[in-house]
Amino acid sequence: AQSVTQPDIHITVSEGASLELRCNYSYGATPYLFWYVQSPGQGLQLLLKYFSGDTLVQGIKGFEAEFKRSQSSFNLRKPSVHWSDAAEYFCAVGFSGGSNYKLTFGKGTLLTVNP
Amino acid sequence: DAGVIQSPRHEVTEMGQEVTLRCKPISGHNSLFWYRQTMMRGLELLIYFNNNVPIDDSGMPEDRFSAKMPNASFSTLKIQPSEPRDSAVYFCASSPREGSPQYFGPGTRLLVL
Repeated sequence: AQSVTQPDIHITVSEGASLELRCNYSYGATPYLFWYVQSPGQGLQLLLKYFSGDTLVQGIKGFEAEFKRSQSSFNLRKPSVHWSDAAEYFCAVGFSGGSNYKLTFGKGTLLTVNP
Repeated sequence: DAGVIQSPRHEVTEMGQEVTLRCKPISGHNSLFWYRQTMMRGLELLIYFNNNVPIDDSGMPEDRFSAKMPNASFSTLKIQPSEPRDSAVYFCASSPREGSPQYFGPGTRLLVL
C-alpha cells in the first residue's frame, strides 16, 4: 500500500532563516504530489502540486518543492521564513489509474517560527 | 468561486444525540471526500464519493456513521448516536478529476459531551 512519511513532527526555525520540510513516499508508480498548509483552526490550503514535467515546482507564499524520483522525495523549501508561516504542513500523494481520486496524507510537520 | 462550504462550523451536542454535518462541494467537482482530524490520529479519510456514488467507505469507523450524497452539490455525514470519542474536526473536500488536488472546506468542529 502507498504511504507518505514526514520524518519531522516538529521543526523550529528563526524568522528569516531557510526552511526545508521533508516528505518521502512509497509506491512504484509515478505519483501526483502535493503540499498543504493548515493554520490553527483552519482547513487545509493547497501550497503547490506536481503532476509531471519540471521537477521543481513553485507554489504560493514563496514556497517551492522538488520532486526527486530516485529518492522518492518531495521536499518543501522556502529561502526565508516569515512569522506568518507558522502552521502545520502536510505532504500528500496520489496515484493514477482506475479513477483513483484518493490522496494519502502524511502525518504533518508543525512549524514554529521564532522572532 | 465560493470554495467548499461546510455547516455548521461548530457543533456541541450530548452523547447519544444525532449529529448531521453538511457539505457543498465546489461546482463542477466530481469527487467529494469526508475526513476526520484529531490530535491522536491525525487526518483520516472516512469516505469518498465519485459522481455521487460512494466509492470507498473503509474509513468509516462503525455503523453509527453514515454518509450520503443525494446530488452533485450536497453531501451529509451523520453520526447516530454520537459518542464523546467522536469529538474531532470533520473536513469535507472536493476534487475535479483524477490526479487533481483536493480543495478543503473550513471544517466542522464537533464536541460531544
